[in-house]
Amino acid sequence: EPEVTQTPSHQVTQMGQEVILRCVPISNHLYFYWYRQILGQKVEFLVSFYNNEISEKSEIFDDQFSVERPDGSNFTLKIRSTKLEDSAMYFCASKVEGVGEAFFGQGTRLTVV
Amino acid sequence: KNEVEQSPQNLTAQEGEFITINCSYSVGISALHWLQQHPGGGIVSLFMLSSGKKKHGRLIATINIQEKHSSLHITASHPRDSAVYICAVDVNSGGGADGLTFGKGTHLIIQP
Repeated sequence: EPEVTQTPSHQVTQMGQEVILRCVPISNHLYFYWYRQILGQKVEFLVSFYNNEISEKSEIFDDQFSVERPDGSNFTLKIRSTKLEDSAMYFCASKVEGVGEAFFGQGTRLTVV
Repeated sequence: KNEVEQSPQNLTAQEGEFITINCSYSVGISALHWLQQHPGGGIVSLFMLSSGKKKHGRLIATINIQEKHSSLHITASHPRDSAVYICAVDVNSGGGADGLTFGKGTHLIIQP
């Protein structure tokens, strides 16, 4: 069964460093998303991506964050100058269409120390 | 802004019991999702609903669009059903690419 793949599963980084979280969405899906879940809190929307550009972004998604689809398969989230409060589980998701079933990756647990 | 409220926040039940988790939301939606999150953290889609009722195995999901309310039922609950169940909604703003708005989740424990 097709699945969304995220790497790495766990990343520890020093405060102030840049990290890149990687996702391979399901191949025929057109809509891609990044979400964040701080430990003990609810999942929050960061950004959506469609037709090779950002479609929607939340207040959380400021200049510290960027997304790219560098080739036909990968979808990346870059976090510049990481802060302690960026520690969270980051989920990638994809959909065939905008209003449709969402398929989530297993998440990347980011720990900023 | 759409708010998604779930109840109860925590639920402990005995194996075999019928389980109901409720979700309400504040504005119009295009679809509602029920998701399952296991202790390892991964999220799995259980249902996507825009009207009526859906059933998959021992799981049943219903939605009442007029009342802005949905329920997830588990029949003949089993310890392997222990997980966090999350309600999330799609708000149709016309663009079709809005992210989901999530509830806080219901932490379900089924004891043998």
